[in-house]
Amino acid sequence: GAVVSQHPSRVICKSGTSVKIECRSLDFQATTMFWYRQFPKKSLMLMATSNEGSKATYEQGVEKDKFLINHASLTLSTLTVTSAHPEDSSFYICSARSLTGTGKQETQYFGPGTRLLVL
Amino acid sequence: AQTVTQSQPEMSVQEAETVTLSCTYDTSENNYYLFWYKQPPSRQMILVIRQEAYKQQNATENRFSVNFQKAAKSFSLKISDSQLGDTAMYFCAFTRSGGSNYKLTFGKGTLLTVNP
Repeated sequence: GAVVSQHPSRVICKSGTSVKIECRSLDFQATTMFWYRQFPKKSLMLMATSNEGSKATYEQGVEKDKFLINHASLTLSTLTVTSAHPEDSSFYICSARSLTGTGKQETQYFGPGTRLLVL
Repeated sequence: AQTVTQSQPEMSVQEAETVTLSCTYDTSENNYYLFWYKQPPSRQMILVIRQEAYKQQNATENRFSVNFQKAAKSFSLKISDSQLGDTAMYFCAFTRSGGSNYKLTFGKGTLLTVNP
């Protein structure tokens, strides 16, 4: 139980293009989802908190116009990296906070991550 | 603000032996949750174990158990009968209970290598 999927798992794009990453909670509803960025051999860095039906809350230093987040339903959040540049290349991970269903309360379950490479 | 400290950047253990990973945290909250997550080479974050602060009993999940010392703000993870598949980065994490801030605060991680 408490499965989170993320798509795509890997994407290569040209500089200047936009990339959309989807995060879905498969067997539970998630009013809150989170987007992280992780550099090699480092801990997770929270980028933003995504709330269903409202605007995302971005962490200090994260450009909201560059990293667009949409949480359209209780099971889907999307992160769009707009006008991507090589410095945006990274590993992006989403998580979903479980309230009901198969997950344990107040627990975040993570997607498998997306490797983004911007050429 | 909450902080989580993992003082062991790397550890190694022989297969079938027991290893303990340390974690300390700092918070003024009384109600919160603590977690250990595992991130193997695949980079998928996997929940290992979860502890509710109001529960005095230490959580256990098969070969994984914690030593939760609330007064000392310590939350160590013990892995018994280590297996090669336990090789991973382990992150200790904290979140408040209730309210509107559900962020996880992570430690920097401990890279555990299980040797055959």
